[in-house]
Amino acid sequence: DAGVIQSPRHEVTEMGQEVTLRCKPISGHDYLFWYRQTMMRGLELLIYFNNNVPIDDSGMPEDRFSAKMPNASFSTLKIQPSEPRDSAVYFCASSVRESSYNSPLHFGNGTRLTVT
Amino acid sequence: KNEVEQSPQNLTAQEGEFITINCSYSVGISALHWLQQHPGGGIVSLFMLSSGKKKHGRLIATINIQEKHSSLHITASHPRDSAVYICAAFTYNTDKLIFGTGTRLQVFP
Repeated sequence: DAGVIQSPRHEVTEMGQEVTLRCKPISGHDYLFWYRQTMMRGLELLIYFNNNVPIDDSGMPEDRFSAKMPNASFSTLKIQPSEPRDSAVYFCASSVRESSYNSPLHFGNGTRLTVT
Repeated sequence: KNEVEQSPQNLTAQEGEFITINCSYSVGISALHWLQQHPGGGIVSLFMLSSGKKKHGRLIATINIQEKHSSLHITASHPRDSAVYICAAFTYNTDKLIFGTGTRLQVFP
């Protein structure tokens, strides 16, 4: 099992550019979560999916952020246009379906985004 | 006030010492997670518990639902235990995790 795979590991971009972060969850996991980690705010949930359907996106900062999960094995988090305050580490995590509150979360290694 | 509070924020120890990290929460929860984040940034789930106590190697996690409090203990600490430890509460009836701000542990040889 390869675990949760995120790409890229590092992304440096200029303000105003579009950024796309990618995540491949563990096969068979029906829940997928996108988190953001900053020094100031720690880990925050942005959005999560259940069976590819977005369930709660109340953590998405603003309309510049969007997330999709076109199939069970792939999800993207897009920022357009990016701003320096979006600089953070973005984590994707997945868990199994039966009882997500009772299942351990498996995290990817994160994408460190720097917007200059 | 954060819904999930951890203490201490920073902790240093000598190799071999017994470590305790505390987590208090103010929301109704269905489960509580303890996570470990190493300097390289990766996050690993250590424990998930909703009652009682769990043990894995030198790590022990306990939770007291009535007091809304959980502790993570490390026995015979080792420099490789140096990491940030994060508790996260799964709020009742939702699938949302609320994270504590983390405890940075450094264990010196």
